[in-house]
Amino acid sequence: QVQLVESGGGSVKPGGSLRLSCAASGFTFGDYYMSWIRQAPGKGLEWIAYMSHSGSTKYYADSVKGRFTISRDNAKNSLYLQMNSLRAEDTAVYFCARDGHKLVAGRDWFDPWGQGTLVTVSS
Amino acid sequence: EIVMTQSPATLSVSPGERATLSCRASHSISNNLAWYQQKPGQAPRLLIYGASTRATGIPATFSGSGSGTEFTLTISSLQSEDFAVYYCQQYNQWPRTFGQGTKLEIK
Repeated sequence: QVQLVESGGGSVKPGGSLRLSCAASGFTFGDYYMSWIRQAPGKGLEWIAYMSHSGSTKYYADSVKGRFTISRDNAKNSLYLQMNSLRAEDTAVYFCARDGHKLVAGRDWFDPWGQGTLVTVSS
Repeated sequence: EIVMTQSPATLSVSPGERATLSCRASHSISNNLAWYQQKPGQAPRLLIYGASTRATGIPATFSGSGSGTEFTLTISSLQSEDFAVYYCQQYNQWPRTFGQGTKLEIK
């Protein structure tokens, strides 16, 4: 079945770095766009980063632009999020989600989502 | 940026009754709207896309409607497993944005 599994979360001090991974299975990873979405404790959902199937196109939320970098390795069916210059307000559960399909225009919703990985930024 | 506003923030409904959740976009998004359900400690689950199309495996008790700026998610005959937080999300333009959520609780 289609599955996404995030890893790499943990505790880090402000200004530190962390790299999240998302392992995909059950579908042709290289055919799909992917996104990262986060949820601060007790708060709502915030989309933060997107990458096209080939990696040629990336979009970021203003809140993470210049600090976070999304990447992917289609040979390894994996998505990554490099997070630098972390701040307390980056504390959240980070979800990866399957996004659009390279051949299906308009299929731009998030389905499915991984279970999430918690990132805590605190001194 | 398109701002998505959900109402009410909390909705108290008795099991077996109908729940109606609203979502408003600050600018027209055509029908590029999805609804998600999130239970405590779980990832969100896609319910509806294209404003009114149920995702695979979603029961017919869930229905979506609307276009442009006004959207509705209706859950008929609420079951115990339906009590959760619901989010709308627009995918008409970047950045993708979510509503703040509606918590559906048992009355």
